[in-house]
Amino acid sequence: DAKTTQPTSMDCAEGRAANLPCNHSTISGNEYVYWYRQIHSQGPQYIIHGLKNNETNEMASLIITEDRKSSTLILPHATLRDTAVYYCIVRVLGSGGGADGLTFGKGTHLIIQP
Amino acid sequence: DGGITQSPKYLFRKEGQNVTLSCEQNLNHDAMYWYRQDPGQGLRLIYYSQIVNDFQKGDIAEGYSVSREKKESFPLTVTSAQKNPTAFYLCASSGQGKFSNQPQHFGDGTRLSIL
Repeated sequence: DAKTTQPTSMDCAEGRAANLPCNHSTISGNEYVYWYRQIHSQGPQYIIHGLKNNETNEMASLIITEDRKSSTLILPHATLRDTAVYYCIVRVLGSGGGADGLTFGKGTHLIIQP
Repeated sequence: DGGITQSPKYLFRKEGQNVTLSCEQNLNHDAMYWYRQDPGQGLRLIYYSQIVNDFQKGDIAEGYSVSREKKESFPLTVTSAQKNPTAFYLCASSGQGKFSNQPQHFGDGTRLSIL
């Protein structure tokens, strides 16, 4: 799986949009971009994933650049409960349906300020 | 509601003792996973199973064992051979086949400590 690079930490004011960047310059054509977040002492929570088109769900939007070498996770109206570590993961689907494990780096610690 | 249940939430082990962590899912997922997380670090894969009665070693399988006798259950045993077992253990599951790009869903973890 391609390696990802994320800032160690970021701050965002409550009510503003939080934009979390991720670089994945070695991504290949069949690799998806996944985002998870982990609140302290809980299991990671899936947020969103995409291949090349921008994606939006009830939690966030995922913007993938045209060359697919970077992406941005957008939380449109950040709340204090969005304070967490956010992980960007690039994953190629393995044989047998892609049941291989995910490779988690250290992620970005997003702190929402009141 | 569908989800993944891990128990217990906290577990203490004595030196030389084996302990088993429970993971149950009612999402009808074929694939299940065990990860270990150390303080300030990302997750590392211990074992995974794509189907009942089959499982594969992950990156750090030494000192651990698993079984997959039922689709819903994937227990992890931390054996006495695991010399540094203190960590946060996370179980996950995901669908397969035509849903193979589907994400993994995680339980809330078991925190294991050595007495």
